[in-house]
Amino acid sequence: DAGVTQSPTHLIKTRGQQVTLRCSPKSGHDTVSWYQQALGQGPQFIFQYYEEEERQRGNFPDRFSGHQFPNYSSELNVNALLLGDSALYLCASSPITLAAQGDEQFFGPGTRLTVL
Amino acid sequence: QQQVKQSPQSLIVQKGGISIINCAYENTAFDYFPWYQQFPGKGPALLIAIRPDVSEKKEGRFTISFNKSAKQFSLHIMDSQPGDSATYFCAASMDTGFQKLVFGTGTRLLVSP
Repeated sequence: DAGVTQSPTHLIKTRGQQVTLRCSPKSGHDTVSWYQQALGQGPQFIFQYYEEEERQRGNFPDRFSGHQFPNYSSELNVNALLLGDSALYLCASSPITLAAQGDEQFFGPGTRLTVL
Repeated sequence: QQQVKQSPQSLIVQKGGISIINCAYENTAFDYFPWYQQFPGKGPALLIAIRPDVSEKKEGRFTISFNKSAKQFSLHIMDSQPGDSATYFCAASMDTGFQKLVFGTGTRLLVSP
């Protein structure tokens, strides 16, 4: 089992550009959540996807959008990049049947985004 | 009210000692309290978690103590080892089915040999 995988590992963009990050959930998981982790901080919840729909959203602007595909993989898109978007973007997956019990979310290694 | 406050920011413990990290929350709707361990270049990994119906949970060298009335919970690492050197995050979530985790700011633990 490969666990949660994310691509790319690192990414450098300039202000104003757009970026797409990708995530493949752990086998058997159908729910994907995205978190932003700024340097020296804890992860901040961006949004969660289940059945190809956004189920809940954190306090992030509309520049942050996502998508979930029928195979449960997911993309995070960020438009009009700002310097403050530089962070580690983490994807976490979980099985929906256990989500209501607050059971474990498995995190991927993250994508390090640097905005210049 | 959505915040989880974590202390200390950093901690140095000698090998074999006890590491203690504390967290406090305000939102009484939180009912799931996990601790995550993160190594450099890796995503957070669940270490141990507790629900408010118990005051303590132990798994190996790791123990969570939970004080519902004080809205505080802590992680104790017994017999700390150099391999435990990592950043530790407490978190909390509500049992709404959405599993949105609210994380603390993290504690960087260094266990000296």
